[in-house]
Amino acid sequence: DQQVKQNSPSLSVQEGRISILNCDYTNSMFDYFLWYKKYPAEGPTFLISISSIKDKNEDGRFTVFLNKSAKHLSLHIVPSQPGDSAVYFCAAYPTQGGSEKLVFGKGTKLTVNP
Amino acid sequence: NAGVTQTPKFRILKIGQSMTLQCTQDMNHNYMYWYRQDPGMGLKLIYYSVGAGITDKGEVPNGYNVSRSTTEDFPLRLELAAPSQTSVYFCASTLAGGGDTQYFGPGTRLTVL
Repeated sequence: DQQVKQNSPSLSVQEGRISILNCDYTNSMFDYFLWYKKYPAEGPTFLISISSIKDKNEDGRFTVFLNKSAKHLSLHIVPSQPGDSAVYFCAAYPTQGGSEKLVFGKGTKLTVNP
Repeated sequence: NAGVTQTPKFRILKIGQSMTLQCTQDMNHNYMYWYRQDPGMGLKLIYYSVGAGITDKGEVPNGYNVSRSTTEDFPLRLELAAPSQTSVYFCASTLAGGGDTQYFGPGTRLTVL
C-alpha cells in the first residue's frame, strides 16, 4: 500500500519553461514533506521541504505547494534548466507519533531539453 | 568533511554468499539509515539506528542484519545472498531523525547471480 504516490514516472520539458512534479499522499498523519533530487550514480540530495502549517515554500527557482485537503503537493521549477534533469523523490513524515521513518514515493524522472 | 561514505561502489555476489556493505559518516549524526532502491521504485527502508547500540527494523529487513557499535559506522550485512537482493543500497544519516534532512552516501550497486 503506497502511502506516497508519484503517479508520473517521467516528465519532459523545454529549457526555460516550468516543470511541475506532483505527489499525493494517503496518510493524514503526514505533516512534513520533503523533496529530494537524485542524479545517476549519486545518492539523493535534499532540495526543499514544507510543513503542513504552510501552503507554500519557496527557495530560488524551486517552490513547493501543499494542498492539505486534497493530500497533494507539487514542486514547481521555474525556469527549468538542463542541469535540473534528475529523478525527484517526494517524501513524507508524521511529526507526531514518534516515527523515525521517512516514506518515499517512487520518483519522477525529469528531463529538461535544451 | 566527507559526509557519508559507502564501500564498495559495486559488487557482484553469487547466490548464497555473504558480504558487508560499509557506511561511515563524519558529521556526528545520531541517526543512520539503510535503504534499497530497486529499478523504477522508491527508496525502501531496510534498517535504521537512532544511536550507537540501538537499531530497529524498517520496511524490508528480511535477509539483512545491522550493527551500530560507534556513532560513525553503520554496516549492513547480507547473509546468504539471493537474486531478490540485487539492488542499489544507500546509507543516510541525519542529526535529529524524522523529517530532518537526510544526507545520503553515493550508493552501492549489488548484483546477485
